[in-house]
Amino acid sequence: AQTVTQSQPEMSVQEAETVTLSCTYDTSESDYYLFWYKQPPSRQMILVIRQEAYKQQNATENRFSVNFQKAAKSFSLKISDSQLGDAAMYFCAYRSALTQGGSEKLVFGKGTKLTVNP
Amino acid sequence: DVKVTQSSRYLVKRTGEKVFLECVQDMDHENMFWYRQDPGLGLRLIYFSYDVKMKEKGDIPEGYSVSREKKERFSLILESASTNQTSMYLCASFGPPWAAQETQYFGPGTRLLVL
Repeated sequence: AQTVTQSQPEMSVQEAETVTLSCTYDTSESDYYLFWYKQPPSRQMILVIRQEAYKQQNATENRFSVNFQKAAKSFSLKISDSQLGDAAMYFCAYRSALTQGGSEKLVFGKGTKLTVNP
Repeated sequence: DVKVTQSSRYLVKRTGEKVFLECVQDMDHENMFWYRQDPGLGLRLIYFSYDVKMKEKGDIPEGYSVSREKKERFSLILESASTNQTSMYLCASFGPPWAAQETQYFGPGTRLLVL
């Protein structure tokens, strides 16, 4: 079974600075997807960024980028120019690339609470 | 935009009560999921469904059941609520298998307190 580990329960960053959230995973599959989700306080969980394992190029979405190291099974999230609105719980998640019933389920890490200090 | 809605944001129930949590999605998605979120434990999958009337157990199905009579609606049922089921419950839906770029879309969550 796949597992996802987020080793930093809490992180903090100064506004406008850069922060990196860590995520490692374990799988025997070669094709899969990785995600970072953001859950602001009392608000809906939303997708921040996704990465396909077969792509070597790291995904980027505006101020958010990932460092995907497939051999090391590492998938970190970098947030540049941090803003107060980035304060949230961040979850790393894994999904198999198989397309049969049940494979679409996500396996989540335990989350990292990010605080942004003004 | 995909919209996933949940019937209640907050619920307070008593031990032993039967509790229904409802989730509706408006994007004709085949796959729907119920997760439970607890501090320090992340999200854990309770049940999922990949078609009408089809259901599969997730990682923590004990004490829960589900119903999917219509494609857009996926209900989570606590047959006899217990205090250890106090938690945040999140519903999610996911599109067809060939939509490989898609991911799960989440509802706003239901915070359940069992007294």
